Amino acid sequence: EAGVAQSPRYKIIEKRQSVAFWCNPISGHATLYWYQQILGQGPKLLIQFQNNGVVDDSQLPKDRFSAERLKGVDSTLKIQPAKLEDSAVYLCASSWGDQNSPLHFGNGTRLTVT
Amino acid sequence: AQSVAQPEDQVNVAEGNPLTVKCTYSVSGNPYLFWYVQYPNRGLQFLLKYITGDNLVKGSYGFEAEFNKSQTSFHLKKPSALVSDSALYFCAVRDDKIIFGKGTRLHILP
Repeated sequence: EAGVAQSPRYKIIEKRQSVAFWCNPISGHATLYWYQQILGQGPKLLIQFQNNGVVDDSQLPKDRFSAERLKGVDSTLKIQPAKLEDSAVYLCASSWGDQNSPLHFGNGTRLTVT
Repeated sequence: AQSVAQPEDQVNVAEGNPLTVKCTYSVSGNPYLFWYVQYPNRGLQFLLKYITGDNLVKGSYGFEAEFNKSQTSFHLKKPSALVSDSALYFCAVRDDKIIFGKGTRLHILP
């Protein structure tokens, strides 16, 4: 099966600019996750979708971050305006949705904010 | 609230020796436990999981993990380490959401 696709792989922007990341999950996976991984730390959940509905966005900084899942398939994560502390790798993952199912991760987008 | 701890930032093991990467957890209900591996510039890859049943779980690439309910631990093990096992390893616990540990860098010395 094709894996989780993410683009771009790398992005460099200046603070206060905006940026968007795209994710295409594994076909048929109902649940989609966006994680933020800061260097030296484990992934932190930003938002979880079940089909096209939001299940958990409790750790999403909603004043600057937004995400949507179009028609329950692809997803876009946006940051506007970016801050220096947003420099991180943004990982998208998908799964079948039940508690037994492991997550399948994309290769991530490395964001550098200068 | 659920939590997961990986007490070691780095583990060094000589090739051919057994390896252990430690993980302890805290959940309110029955734990769903996972191990993932991350190679440079890649996403996390699933290694193995514990849901219920046998305390010793076998996974990919010869790895296994031992679930210990009394010690709330889920340590990752391999009988004989390979240089190619060098990577970043994450333990994760699932209760109402999936929480990852901070990761342990495994360095296998040739």
